[in-house]
Amino acid sequence: EIVLTQSPATLSLSPGERATLSCRASQSVSSYLAWYQQKPGQAPRLFMYDASNRATGIPARFSGSGSGTDFTLTISSLEPEDFAVYYCQQRSNWPLTFGGGTKVEIK
Amino acid sequence: EAQLLGSGGGLVQPGGSLRLSCAASGFSFSSCAMGWVRQAPGKGLEWVSVITDGGGTTHYADSVKGRFTISRDNSKNTLYLQMNSLRAEDTAVYYCAKVPGVYYFDFWGQGTLVTVSS
Repeated sequence: EIVLTQSPATLSLSPGERATLSCRASQSVSSYLAWYQQKPGQAPRLFMYDASNRATGIPARFSGSGSGTDFTLTISSLEPEDFAVYYCQQRSNWPLTFGGGTKVEIK
Repeated sequence: EAQLLGSGGGLVQPGGSLRLSCAASGFSFSSCAMGWVRQAPGKGLEWVSVITDGGGTTHYADSVKGRFTISRDNSKNTLYLQMNSLRAEDTAVYYCAKVPGVYYFDFWGQGTLVTVSS
């Protein structure tokens, strides 16, 4: 099973600041990694797929990078609606696995 | 507009069974793989199962293999999850989700809560 480790667990930032979230895989997943955003009481929403492709309707301030075992989700300038929990997920191998999440909170 | 409406959750005793349903609308259900993802209270996401568009291939997480069965009825645009031999650790919100051409989840239902407790 591929283990995805997300860091940091919590990121405390102010609106307008840059956020950098990390997802590290226990073995290579090529570029087969997605990012999801989840807000309290809501279902997750797909934000990024295959490491660097924004899903439909996702604003350009979100960008993804990486391949192999190290991946990054960057939010260039935090908007109030961006404060949420973000999860990564790999589709390279069965079973599909998710990371433990990074909470982006308002400082 | 795409919609996934989950139902069937509730309180069940350990060892009991429950069947979740997920009614789809607004997209070509029979052309899409589908899946279930769960989230224990206050915890992260855990993939449970996926099924291909025609229902011919299924995959399960080791934690549910042999106890849960995913199925679909394309004539009714409905996805199912039959859950048997339920354990306390199966307590979670269960989300049904649409799978695009590759195994991500690009649209999610609102979730249905399953509580396993005596």
